[in-house]
Amino acid sequence: GENVEQHPSTLSVQEGDSAVIKCTYSDSASNYFPWYKQELGKRPQLIIDIRSNVGEKKDQRIAVTLNKTAKHFSLHITETQPEDSAVYFCAAPQNEAAGNKLTFGGGTRVLVKP
Amino acid sequence: DAGVTQSPTHLIKTRGQQVTLRCSPKSGHDTVSWYQQALGQGPQFIFQYYEEEERQRGNFPDRFSGHQFPNYSSELNVNALLLGDSALYLCASSFSSAGVAGELFFGEGSRLTVL
Repeated sequence: GENVEQHPSTLSVQEGDSAVIKCTYSDSASNYFPWYKQELGKRPQLIIDIRSNVGEKKDQRIAVTLNKTAKHFSLHITETQPEDSAVYFCAAPQNEAAGNKLTFGGGTRVLVKP
Repeated sequence: DAGVTQSPTHLIKTRGQQVTLRCSPKSGHDTVSWYQQALGQGPQFIFQYYEEEERQRGNFPDRFSGHQFPNYSSELNVNALLLGDSALYLCASSFSSAGVAGELFFGEGSRLTVL
Protein backbone atom coordinates (compact mmCIF):
# COMPACT_ATOMS: atom_id res chain seq x y z
CA GLY A 1 0.00 0.00 0.00
CA GLU A 2 0.88 3.67 -0.13
CA ASN A 3 3.29 5.04 2.48
CA VAL A 4 3.51 8.82 2.96
CA GLU A 5 6.30 10.44 4.98
CA GLN A 6 6.05 14.12 5.98
CA HIS A 7 8.75 16.46 7.31
CA PRO A 8 9.23 18.41 9.46
CA SER A 9 6.79 17.48 12.22
CA THR A 10 6.90 21.02 13.62
CA LEU A 11 7.86 24.30 11.98
CA SER A 12 8.16 27.68 13.62
CA VAL A 13 8.55 30.74 11.38
CA GLN A 14 8.50 34.48 11.83
CA GLU A 15 5.56 36.29 10.31
CA GLY A 16 6.39 37.25 6.74
CA ASP A 17 8.87 34.43 6.24
CA SER A 18 8.29 31.38 4.04
CA ALA A 19 7.43 27.87 5.17
CA VAL A 20 8.17 24.65 3.29
CA ILE A 21 6.81 21.21 4.09
CA LYS A 22 7.99 18.11 2.24
CA CYS A 23 6.37 14.73 1.65
CA THR A 24 7.50 11.53 0.00
CA TYR A 25 5.29 8.72 -1.23
CA SER A 26 5.89 5.13 -2.22
CA ASP A 27 3.29 4.19 -4.85
CA SER A 28 4.54 5.31 -8.25
CA ALA A 29 1.00 4.93 -9.63
CA SER A 30 -0.31 7.76 -7.41
CA ASN A 31 -1.53 10.69 -9.51
CA TYR A 32 -3.23 13.09 -7.12
CA PHE A 33 -1.58 14.93 -4.22
CA PRO A 34 -3.68 17.12 -1.93
CA TRP A 35 -2.73 19.25 1.04
CA TYR A 36 -5.11 19.72 3.94
CA LYS A 37 -5.04 22.34 6.71
CA GLN A 38 -6.50 21.52 10.10
CA GLU A 39 -6.94 24.26 12.65
CA LEU A 40 -7.26 23.34 16.29
CA GLY A 41 -10.54 21.55 16.91
CA LYS A 42 -11.63 21.91 13.30
CA ARG A 43 -12.06 19.64 10.31
CA PRO A 44 -9.26 19.12 7.76
CA GLN A 45 -9.84 21.38 4.77
CA LEU A 46 -8.29 21.14 1.32
CA ILE A 47 -6.06 24.12 0.57
CA ILE A 48 -4.42 23.03 -2.67
CA ASP A 49 -3.92 19.91 -4.74
CA ILE A 50 -1.89 18.85 -7.75
CA ARG A 51 -2.25 16.14 -10.31
CA SER A 52 0.64 14.26 -11.84
CA ASN A 53 0.41 15.93 -15.24
CA VAL A 54 1.83 19.20 -13.85
CA GLY A 55 4.93 19.99 -11.83
CA GLU A 56 3.76 23.09 -9.96
CA LYS A 57 0.55 24.82 -8.97
CA LYS A 58 0.05 28.16 -7.24
CA ASP A 59 -2.86 29.77 -5.44
CA GLN A 60 -2.05 33.21 -4.04
CA ARG A 61 0.48 32.65 -1.20
CA ILE A 62 0.56 28.87 -1.41
CA ALA A 63 2.13 26.60 -3.99
CA VAL A 64 2.74 22.92 -4.40
CA THR A 65 5.55 21.31 -6.41
CA LEU A 66 5.69 17.70 -7.54
CA ASN A 67 8.65 15.56 -8.57
CA LYS A 68 7.25 12.26 -9.81
CA THR A 69 10.66 10.81 -10.56
CA ALA A 70 11.80 11.28 -6.99
CA LYS A 71 8.30 10.63 -5.62
CA HIS A 72 8.12 13.72 -3.49
CA PHE A 73 5.97 16.85 -3.32
CA SER A 74 6.19 20.00 -1.28
CA LEU A 75 3.97 22.77 0.06
CA HIS A 76 5.30 26.31 0.00
CA ILE A 77 3.69 29.13 1.96
CA THR A 78 5.06 32.61 1.32
CA GLU A 79 4.59 35.78 3.40
CA THR A 80 3.26 33.74 6.31
CA GLN A 81 0.60 35.26 8.54
CA PRO A 82 -0.59 34.30 12.04
CA GLU A 83 -3.73 32.71 10.55
CA ASP A 84 -1.48 30.24 8.73
CA SER A 85 -0.78 28.62 12.12
CA ALA A 86 -2.31 25.13 11.94
CA VAL A 87 -1.46 21.51 11.26
CA TYR A 88 -0.87 20.70 7.60
CA PHE A 89 -1.26 17.22 6.13
CA CYS A 90 -0.12 15.90 2.79
CA ALA A 91 -1.81 12.89 1.27
CA ALA A 92 -1.60 10.53 -1.66
CA PRO A 93 -4.10 8.03 -2.99
CA GLN A 94 -3.67 4.34 -3.36
CA ASN A 95 -4.59 4.27 -7.00
CA GLU A 96 -7.06 1.47 -7.45
CA ALA A 97 -9.62 1.04 -10.18
CA ALA A 98 -12.33 0.57 -7.57
CA GLY A 99 -11.93 4.08 -6.30
CA ASN A 100 -9.52 6.06 -4.15
CA LYS A 101 -8.45 6.16 -0.57
CA LEU A 102 -6.08 8.79 0.77
CA THR A 103 -3.07 7.94 2.86
CA PHE A 104 -2.09 10.92 4.99
CA GLY A 105 1.28 12.00 6.26
CA GLY A 106 1.83 12.46 9.97
CA GLY A 107 1.26 16.21 9.81
CA THR A 108 3.34 19.36 10.30
CA ARG A 109 2.43 21.76 13.07
CA VAL A 110 3.18 25.26 11.78
CA LEU A 111 3.48 28.15 14.19
CA VAL A 112 3.74 31.66 12.77
CA LYS A 113 5.17 34.04 15.34
CA PRO A 114 4.05 37.67 15.07
CA ASP B 1 -25.57 23.33 1.52
CA ALA B 2 -24.95 21.86 4.98
CA GLY B 3 -21.72 20.14 4.00
CA VAL B 4 -20.77 16.91 5.77
CA THR B 5 -22.55 16.44 9.08
CA GLN B 6 -21.61 13.97 11.78
CA SER B 7 -23.23 12.87 15.01
CA PRO B 8 -22.68 12.71 17.87
CA THR B 9 -19.92 15.29 18.25
CA HIS B 10 -18.62 13.84 21.51
CA LEU B 11 -19.25 10.62 23.36
CA ILE B 12 -17.78 8.62 26.20
CA LYS B 13 -17.93 4.83 26.36
CA THR B 14 -16.36 2.14 28.52
CA ARG B 15 -14.25 -0.77 27.39
CA GLY B 16 -16.23 -3.58 25.80
CA GLN B 17 -19.14 -1.39 24.77
CA GLN B 18 -20.29 -0.76 21.23
CA VAL B 19 -20.67 2.57 19.46
CA THR B 20 -22.40 3.81 16.30
CA LEU B 21 -21.35 7.02 14.58
CA ARG B 22 -23.37 8.66 11.84
CA CYS B 23 -22.54 10.74 8.80
CA SER B 24 -24.51 12.62 6.16
CA PRO B 25 -22.47 13.46 3.08
CA LYS B 26 -22.34 16.75 1.25
CA SER B 27 -25.19 17.19 -1.18
CA GLY B 28 -24.41 15.53 -4.52
CA HIS B 29 -21.74 13.23 -3.12
CA ASP B 30 -22.08 9.46 -3.43
CA THR B 31 -18.99 8.16 -1.62
CA VAL B 32 -18.30 8.16 2.10
CA SER B 33 -14.94 7.41 3.70
CA TRP B 34 -14.23 7.02 7.39
CA TYR B 35 -10.94 7.99 9.04
CA GLN B 36 -9.60 7.61 12.56
CA GLN B 37 -7.42 10.46 13.83
CA ALA B 38 -5.55 9.81 17.05
CA LEU B 39 -4.28 12.85 18.95
CA GLY B 40 -1.30 14.42 17.20
CA GLN B 41 -1.46 12.12 14.19
CA GLY B 42 -2.73 12.16 10.65
CA PRO B 43 -6.07 10.60 9.72
CA GLN B 44 -5.91 6.83 9.17
CA PHE B 45 -8.20 5.29 6.54
CA ILE B 46 -10.76 2.85 7.95
CA PHE B 47 -12.98 2.09 4.96
CA GLN B 48 -14.94 3.61 2.10
CA TYR B 49 -18.52 3.06 0.99
CA TYR B 50 -19.90 3.50 -2.50
CA GLU B 51 -23.25 2.27 -3.83
CA GLU B 52 -24.01 0.83 -0.39
CA GLU B 53 -21.00 -1.47 -0.47
CA GLU B 54 -17.64 -1.38 1.24
CA ARG B 55 -15.30 -0.60 -1.62
CA GLN B 56 -11.96 -0.36 0.17
CA ARG B 57 -10.70 -1.09 3.66
CA GLY B 58 -7.66 -0.04 5.64
CA ASN B 59 -5.78 -1.99 8.30
CA PHE B 60 -8.52 -2.07 10.91
CA PRO B 61 -9.92 -5.19 12.62
CA ASP B 62 -13.36 -6.62 11.97
CA ARG B 63 -14.59 -4.86 15.11
CA PHE B 64 -14.92 -1.87 12.81
CA SER B 65 -17.86 -2.19 10.46
CA GLY B 66 -20.02 0.16 8.49
CA HIS B 67 -23.00 0.68 6.34
CA GLN B 68 -24.18 3.03 3.64
CA PHE B 69 -27.85 3.75 3.08
CA PRO B 70 -29.69 4.47 -0.18
CA ASN B 71 -29.58 8.22 0.61
CA TYR B 72 -25.74 7.94 0.77
CA SER B 73 -25.57 8.52 4.52
CA SER B 74 -23.35 6.17 6.45
CA GLU B 75 -22.73 4.62 9.85
CA LEU B 76 -19.54 3.43 11.50
CA ASN B 77 -19.89 0.75 14.15
CA VAL B 78 -17.17 -0.28 16.56
CA ASN B 79 -17.69 -3.33 18.77
CA ALA B 80 -15.82 -4.44 21.89
CA LEU B 81 -14.27 -1.02 22.41
CA LEU B 82 -10.65 -0.79 23.53
CA LEU B 83 -8.89 2.12 25.20
CA GLY B 84 -6.89 2.54 21.98
CA ASP B 85 -10.06 3.27 20.05
CA SER B 86 -10.18 6.70 21.66
CA ALA B 87 -9.81 9.14 18.77
CA LEU B 88 -11.51 11.63 16.50
CA TYR B 89 -13.51 9.79 13.87
CA LEU B 90 -13.80 11.75 10.66
CA CYS B 91 -16.27 11.17 7.89
CA ALA B 92 -15.36 12.45 4.44
CA SER B 93 -17.55 12.55 1.38
CA SER B 94 -16.67 12.83 -2.27
CA PHE B 95 -18.05 12.30 -5.72
CA SER B 96 -15.94 9.62 -7.28
CA SER B 97 -15.65 8.24 -10.74
CA ALA B 98 -13.95 4.87 -10.71
CA GLY B 99 -10.19 5.26 -10.66
CA VAL B 100 -10.24 9.04 -10.28
CA ALA B 101 -9.23 10.61 -6.99
CA GLY B 102 -11.00 13.77 -5.97
CA GLU B 103 -11.36 16.22 -3.12
CA LEU B 104 -12.55 14.86 0.20
CA PHE B 105 -14.89 17.05 2.23
CA PHE B 106 -14.57 16.29 5.92
CA GLY B 107 -17.10 16.60 8.68
CA GLU B 108 -16.20 18.06 12.05
CA GLY B 109 -15.78 14.59 13.47
CA SER B 110 -17.02 12.54 16.40
CA ARG B 111 -14.65 12.52 19.35
CA LEU B 112 -14.82 9.14 21.08
CA THR B 113 -13.33 8.62 24.53
CA VAL B 114 -13.09 5.06 25.83
CA LEU B 115 -12.62 4.72 29.58
